[in-house]
Amino acid sequence: AQSVAQPEDQVNVAEGNPLTVKCTYSVSGNPYLFWYVQYPNRGLQFLLKYITGDNLVKGSYGFEAEFNKSQTSFHLKKPSALVSDSALYFCAVIPGYSSASKIIFGSGTRLSIRP
Amino acid sequence: DTAVSQTPKYLVTQMGNDKSIKCEQNLGHDTMYWYKQDSKKFLKIMFSYNNKELIINETVPNRFSPKSPDKAHLNLHINSLELGDSAVYFCASSPSSSTANTEAFFGQGTRLTVV
Repeated sequence: AQSVAQPEDQVNVAEGNPLTVKCTYSVSGNPYLFWYVQYPNRGLQFLLKYITGDNLVKGSYGFEAEFNKSQTSFHLKKPSALVSDSALYFCAVIPGYSSASKIIFGSGTRLSIRP
Repeated sequence: DTAVSQTPKYLVTQMGNDKSIKCEQNLGHDTMYWYKQDSKKFLKIMFSYNNKELIINETVPNRFSPKSPDKAHLNLHINSLELGDSAVYFCASSPSSSTANTEAFFGQGTRLTVV
């Protein structure tokens, strides 16, 4: 079965430190990979995506993610965390040769940045 | 201007009732979606509607029926509401479901509580 895993329910980081939110996937073909962020009582907001090309993609709010095909991972990173980064983060994957309706979301990781 | 708007934001209703949630997008997108987010924040696609084509997720009970009067609107009607239907329902849109490399834009969500 095709799946997306976010192994950490919660990640706690001190402000100013680097952060990583992990995502691994198991899907067929060459996938399209996305990260979304959800603030309290809000809908999901797009952060960044990997479609093809450079494995390191940069997105909104200083976030970046690296596509690693051999490890089937797409970890989200930021060099210096801000308290305002505290939110729920979702990794999402569309399997290769699929339509957008076949998107699979991870279970979400709650990121908490302490001052 | 809100790109994807859904109403109501909160909905509390009794078991057995029928209710509708409305969604409108002003992005000119061809495809709209309904997602369900459960109490554990797990997010799952329910339906996608690309112009005249409805793609149904086979795990969704037939008590749920999407209705699209035009490509800017996708409403969700739920018959005979059950306690397990309590969740946050998100509407979203994207340029086209056949273009899997584009991100989706989400509404703010409708928190449905069935009592």
